[in-house]
Amino acid sequence: EIVLTQSPGTLSLSPGERATLSCRASQSVSSNYLAWYQQKPGQAPRLLIYGASSRATGIPDRFSGSGSGTDFTLTISRLEPEDFAVYHCHHYGGSPPTFGQGTKVDIK
Amino acid sequence: EVHLVESGGAVGQPGGSLRLSCAASGFIFDDYSMQWVRQVPGKGLEWVSLISWDGSSAYYADSVKGRFTVSRDNSKNTLYLQMHSLRIEDTAVYYCAKEAVGWQWLFHLDSWGQGTLVTVSS
Repeated sequence: EIVLTQSPGTLSLSPGERATLSCRASQSVSSNYLAWYQQKPGQAPRLLIYGASSRATGIPDRFSGSGSGTDFTLTISRLEPEDFAVYHCHHYGGSPPTFGQGTKVDIK
Repeated sequence: EVHLVESGGAVGQPGGSLRLSCAASGFIFDDYSMQWVRQVPGKGLEWVSLISWDGSSAYYADSVKGRFTVSRDNSKNTLYLQMHSLRIEDTAVYYCAKEAVGWQWLFHLDSWGQGTLVTVSS
């Protein structure tokens, strides 16, 4: 089982700032089968990024994903008020699929 | 537009049973594998189970294997999760989710339901 560790646990930033979130895998993620989801309070997760770097339909280009192997990053270039939320990384393509514990981006 | 609507969440007793349903619309249901993912409020996401598009294959997390059974009725566009031998630690919001790629499984999840709360308590 691939264990995903996200850091930091909480990121306190101001609107307009850049957010950099990390997801580290305990072993190499094949074919870069790594996704990122955004979750707001009381809502279901929403797919942002798949294949480590491909944006899902309708996702603004301020969201970008990068990385390979065991180290992956989600970057939000300029935080908008609606971006303050919890972000989860997700390994798929193997059984069992696993999720990181989440990173909360909150307003400083 | 894809819609996934879960139901069946309730308060159950330890050792008891519950059945969750997920009604799907807005896409060709029998072309896509489906998954159940749960979340203890305030915590991270935990994969529970998946079922292939045709129902021929199913996979489970070790934490639920032998207690939960996933199934689907493609004629009713509905996904199910039968939960037996419930434990306190099964308490969570349960989401059904659609895989993004048709006729395959273990892909990323491009649509999620709003979730249904299962509380296991005596």
